[in-house]
Amino acid sequence: DVKVTQSSRYLVKRTGEKVFLECVQDMDHENMFWYRQDPGLGLRLIYFSYDVKMKEKGDIPEGYSVSREKKERFSLILESASTNQTSMYLCASSLRGGPLITDTQYFGPGTRLTVL
Amino acid sequence: GNSVTQMEGPVTLSEEAFLTINCTYTATGYPSLFWYVQYPGEGLQLLLKATKADDKGSNKGFEATYRKETTSFHLEKGSVQVSDSAVYFCALLTSGTYKYIFGTGTRLKVLA
Repeated sequence: DVKVTQSSRYLVKRTGEKVFLECVQDMDHENMFWYRQDPGLGLRLIYFSYDVKMKEKGDIPEGYSVSREKKERFSLILESASTNQTSMYLCASSLRGGPLITDTQYFGPGTRLTVL
Repeated sequence: GNSVTQMEGPVTLSEEAFLTINCTYTATGYPSLFWYVQYPGEGLQLLLKATKADDKGSNKGFEATYRKETTSFHLEKGSVQVSDSAVYFCALLTSGTYKYIFGTGTRLKVLA
């Protein structure tokens, strides 16, 4: 079974802190994704990576950056956390690389981040 | 642009009732369609999918048929259980892109 793990289930940070959210997948997937999930808004894509050191902006990249130094690990960075970044953050991965993607996404359990 | 519209929840049913969660989409080309489920405290997991018109996806007693003429992918189950209580997301993926488009989710609560 594909396993996607996230470094924390719950995280509380203060406004202005730099926050790192880590995601690791164990199935050699090329694609990795970061979403945030908010009530009434569903899932919104923050960033996407289709290969090591490659990244593309999603729908809401402002205030976030990402890092993918190894194939299995995809990090989301909040450069200076703000209260409007309080949310559930979900990481996902899928098998095929490049633009012709039809494969299932596998999700981690999520990190609930609260910014005070 | 591409979009997915789901019925608003919450949906509350008694055990063994029939379930329908409506999903309609707008997309260019021929998207693949998905239903994902999120159980309490967990991430999303694939429930079923269909990749072309008239395909029927099925899993765990759930079914959905890809209807191109009505641009719909409604989720159905003949007899729900308490363990089906979760949030259900409809999603689409257009060929040649990486961006999944998710609906806002429909919360289902099944009472014993």
